[in-house]
Amino acid sequence: KAGVTQTPRYLIKTRGQQVTLSCSPISGHRSVSWYQQTPGQGLQFLFEYFSETQRNKGNFPGRFSGRQFSNSRSEMNVSTLELGDSALYLCASSFQGDTIYFGEGSWLTVV
Amino acid sequence: GNSVTQMEGPVTLSEEAFLTINCTYTATGYPSLFWYVQYPGEGLQLLLKATKADDKGSNKGFEATYRKETTSFHLEKGSVQVSDSAVYFCALSDRTGGGADGLTFGKGTHLIIQP
Repeated sequence: KAGVTQTPRYLIKTRGQQVTLSCSPISGHRSVSWYQQTPGQGLQFLFEYFSETQRNKGNFPGRFSGRQFSNSRSEMNVSTLELGDSALYLCASSFQGDTIYFGEGSWLTVV
Repeated sequence: GNSVTQMEGPVTLSEEAFLTINCTYTATGYPSLFWYVQYPGEGLQLLLKATKADDKGSNKGFEATYRKETTSFHLEKGSVQVSDSAVYFCALSDRTGGGADGLTFGKGTHLIIQP
């Protein structure tokens, strides 16, 4: 059974640009959540989607958004990138929000 | 709100030593508890979990018992190996009442095992 797949794995963007990250959950999983990991703040919850609906959102500005498609695949978007957005972005999936499995992450560097 | 507190380290041990990484939590409801491990340059891997009081999660020689009375979920292993070197995260998920706030993580404990 394939795990959670995230693309791209590494990317470099310029301040002010926007970025879209993609996540394919484990087959059969309907819940997809996103986390940001930085050395200073640790792991922080961004948002969770279940059956194409955002179920909850963490404490991040509106520049961070996401969506989920009918096949449970999810994307997150960060607009007007800032240097502080440099982080590892982790996608996770679960069947109904119970045990959560993570992908390898997307490393974003903003220069 | 919910919170997780764990020793940050780094924790340095010799191979075959006994490991304990402390984790305590604060939650408004009845959370499920998890330990995740992160190897350098990788994402998080679920190590073990416990969903109710007195449950013991175990995997790959690691164990942790859900102690409601002390709000703790300490990670233990009897004999560590060099390959156990990684960062370990304690986390909770509190969906009591149907909430879906995601996982709340501790800061992570960097474990270094020396041969």
